[in-house]
Amino acid sequence: RKEVEQDPGPFNVPEGATVAFNCTYSNSASQSFFWYRQDCRKEPKLLMSVYSSGNEDGRFTAQLNRASQYISLLIRDSKLSDSATYLCVVPLGGADGLTFGKGTHLIIQP
Amino acid sequence: GAGVSQSPRYKVAKRGQDVALRCDPISGHVSLFWYQQALGQGPEFLTYFQNEAQLDKSGLPSDRFFAERPEGSVSTLKIQRTQQEDSAVYLCASRELAATGELFFGEGSRLTVL
Repeated sequence: RKEVEQDPGPFNVPEGATVAFNCTYSNSASQSFFWYRQDCRKEPKLLMSVYSSGNEDGRFTAQLNRASQYISLLIRDSKLSDSATYLCVVPLGGADGLTFGKGTHLIIQP
Repeated sequence: GAGVSQSPRYKVAKRGQDVALRCDPISGHVSLFWYQQALGQGPEFLTYFQNEAQLDKSGLPSDRFFAERPEGSVSTLKIQRTQQEDSAVYLCASRELAATGELFFGEGSRLTVL
């Protein structure tokens, strides 16, 4: 089993809809996880940190489920500008290695 | 600028050539990471520095890959005898602290090996 798994999509969602996707991980004792956003041919940028209690920032909500070993990202009232690849990041292994999932490709359609 | 700077942005190499990719992190950032990102994939961890010390190089795919950060700031990723499978975007990221915090990425160096 891969250490960090994401559904690659693409998720085709109409503008204004709510979309959610999960990221499962094999094992981590870390307290913090991350969602990064990557636009086409650009570098990844931090979207949200995910703590044990979850995190909400405007239209975005991230949650951590330790028992089932997954983190989720919920986007409400989606905008065209939300179209991007969303990368889940899990601290695994030693030396603070941050392991990225392959990303979920989201397309918001007008 | 104040961000992570990488050069060259684009590099085309003939198979067998050596290449060197440079990363200039955000000033004062302790941690520096190199990642390799193939088309349609997420970034794959290569190596990690804390100041000048290379604490983890477990992700380097072969002994043709070598990274250094001799003065704890600028880092160079060197690939010897390049192969076609080395074609990818090489991303550098820095982080202010040693063990936690946001990764700030450079725009990457896109390597194409012919």
